Amino acid sequence: QLQLQESGPGLEKPSETLSLTCTVSGGSISSSSYNWGWIRQPPGRGLEWIGDIYYSGSTYYNPSLKSRVTISVDTSKNQFSLKLSSVTAADTAVYYCARRVRGVNDAFDIWGQGTMVTVSS
Amino acid sequence: DIQMTQSPSSLSASVGDRVTITCRASQSISSYLNWYQQKPGKAPELLIYAASSLQSGVPSRFSGSGSGTDFTLTISSLRPEDFATFYCQQSYSTPYTFGQGTRLEIK
Repeated sequence: QLQLQESGPGLEKPSETLSLTCTVSGGSISSSSYNWGWIRQPPGRGLEWIGDIYYSGSTYYNPSLKSRVTISVDTSKNQFSLKLSSVTAADTAVYYCARRVRGVNDAFDIWGQGTMVTVSS
Repeated sequence: DIQMTQSPSSLSASVGDRVTITCRASQSISSYLNWYQQKPGKAPELLIYAASSLQSGVPSRFSGSGSGTDFTLTISSLRPEDFATFYCQQSYSTPYTFGQGTRLEIK
């Protein structure tokens, strides 16, 4: 059974770069059927798609964050990563990684448990 | 960006009730509409994809309908484990966007 697990610091200082990794287990990240994405949820609020990546390295970003976001993939480690630069308190959120099914309505069918990231000095 | 608007924002219902949640897109999205359920402290789970297709393992009391701009999620007979927040999401075009959520509470 495929599982996703986020990892990374839970606290970042303003203006720093947030870095998270998602480890995929129970299946290969190098599948032509899926993209691998990041979605965040500020406390008590709704969901925001950040972006996602295909195993070949093709990326898709939310224009609202594009200038600060980099998503990368390491197929040898079955991992993909998120970097968000110049963070502010508005970037405080639970960050989820998720699998997006290509071609079947692009739904996010498997999610990690999420990791809380707080931006504070 | 395509805006997704859910109604109601919150809803109180009893076990056994039939419940309907509505999602409206700011432009036509064909059937590129997905529904998720999120319980407190947990990640969202996919319920319905392509507007009306039931995700594997999801109970048949959940159903979805609609196309174009108007969509509904229906729970035919509420069970205690169904009380949660529900989100719609359009996958017609990037950036993928979600509705603001509908919180379903026990009456």
